[in-house]
Amino acid sequence: AQSVAQPEDQVNVAEGNPLTVKCTYSVSGNPYLFWYVQYPNRGLQFLLKYITGDNLVKGSYGFEAEFNKSQTSFHLKKPSALVSDSALYFCAVREPGGSYIPTFGRGTSLIVHP
Amino acid sequence: NAGVTQTPKFQVLKTGQSMTLQCAQDMNHEYMSWYRQDPGMGLRLIHYSVGAGITDQGEVPNGYNVSRSTTEDFPLRLLSAAPSQTSVYFCASSPEPGTGDYEQYFGPGTRLTVT
Repeated sequence: AQSVAQPEDQVNVAEGNPLTVKCTYSVSGNPYLFWYVQYPNRGLQFLLKYITGDNLVKGSYGFEAEFNKSQTSFHLKKPSALVSDSALYFCAVREPGGSYIPTFGRGTSLIVHP
Repeated sequence: NAGVTQTPKFQVLKTGQSMTLQCAQDMNHEYMSWYRQDPGMGLRLIHYSVGAGITDQGEVPNGYNVSRSTTEDFPLRLLSAAPSQTSVYFCASSPEPGTGDYEQYFGPGTRLTVT
């Protein structure tokens, strides 16, 4: 069965500093991995995905994520945080085959302080 | 394209009442899902559909029914509302595998309160 863990409920970072939001996963076989962002009172928006190929994937708003198969991780990163990046971030995993429906983590609240 | 639309945006029900949350998409996606979002619980899958006429249960299906008579629509029915169903409900859609587009597209959500 597929599962994903986001070990931090909240991440605090100062504006201009680099940020990392952690995600680890468990699947049978090669994973499809996703990051979504949710701003207050809004639906989830897709940020980036890893399907195959280069382990470093780049997405919207300057975010990137690194797929690490040996550590079963897919951490979200940004070199310089903005106050406007403050939001709830969800990691999701999907096993190729099966129901094709992803499993989401519990979410990490990112707070960027001015 | 409007994407994924949900109605209503807000709803208050009394315990025991029934209602239907509407979800529609205009992207011709085969896959549609319903999630509920509760504080500290993330997104939990209620029901999903892999095409018209095909539905299946997710992680938390009790108290909810779905049907998929068309590709575009995927309504969620609350049979007899309970306070434990107070939540924010999201509908999502995605194309079938093999299209190269793997992510889900989410609606804006319905905030439901059951008193």
